[in-house]
Amino acid sequence: NAGVTQTPKFRILKIGQSMTLQCTQDMNHNYMYWYRQDPGMGLKLIYYSVGAGITDKGEVPNGYNVSRSTTEDFPLRLELAAPSQTSVYFCASSSSDRAVNTEAFFGQGTRLTVV
Amino acid sequence: QQQVKQSPQSLIVQKGGISIINCAYENTAFDYFPWYQQFPGKGPALLIAIRPDVSEKKEGRFTISFNKSAKQFSLHIMDSQPGDSATYFCAANNEKLTFGTGTRLTIIP
Repeated sequence: NAGVTQTPKFRILKIGQSMTLQCTQDMNHNYMYWYRQDPGMGLKLIYYSVGAGITDKGEVPNGYNVSRSTTEDFPLRLELAAPSQTSVYFCASSSSDRAVNTEAFFGQGTRLTVV
Repeated sequence: QQQVKQSPQSLIVQKGGISIINCAYENTAFDYFPWYQQFPGKGPALLIAIRPDVSEKKEGRFTISFNKSAKQFSLHIMDSQPGDSATYFCAANNEKLTFGTGTRLTIIP
């Protein structure tokens, strides 16, 4: 009963490096989301997807890219990392049957530091 | 553009007291209003949620009050316990979840 799994849990990147944050869910959810949470702040939506092959920008998409080739996976790509991307990143998923259940399940987070 | 406004930013309540956190929204298309609880080092987890066709929902010590005309909703924690110390987020949903900025709740003995 894994739910939403994120890897890695921690990562330190140098300015200008790139990386991919992995997110996998085993609940057959159509909706998936990426949020970032800065210290003492709320969650800001980076990108979201309503199904395989469909992605859309959230509130803070600049500097990130996503893809959704399968229902299970929703990786987040950081190109040319910048110190402003230092944050905790959360992946979440929810059912598309919004009349019945819209609970979003979150992963444990990836703590990223860009130095 | 802050679509969901949450207050207060932090809250200290004595054990056994009532904790109240307030949220206001702008988009009338929102149709689902959850509250999430987050402990340090963990992801947020759903605590309780309400749809706009009811004015109140209660689950144990946790109650959501919803005022559709004022576009406001609030979380009440009765008989607050030290184990309730966490950060609480309100949210609103209309395909994507939009979160408030969070309230750090501390319950003191």
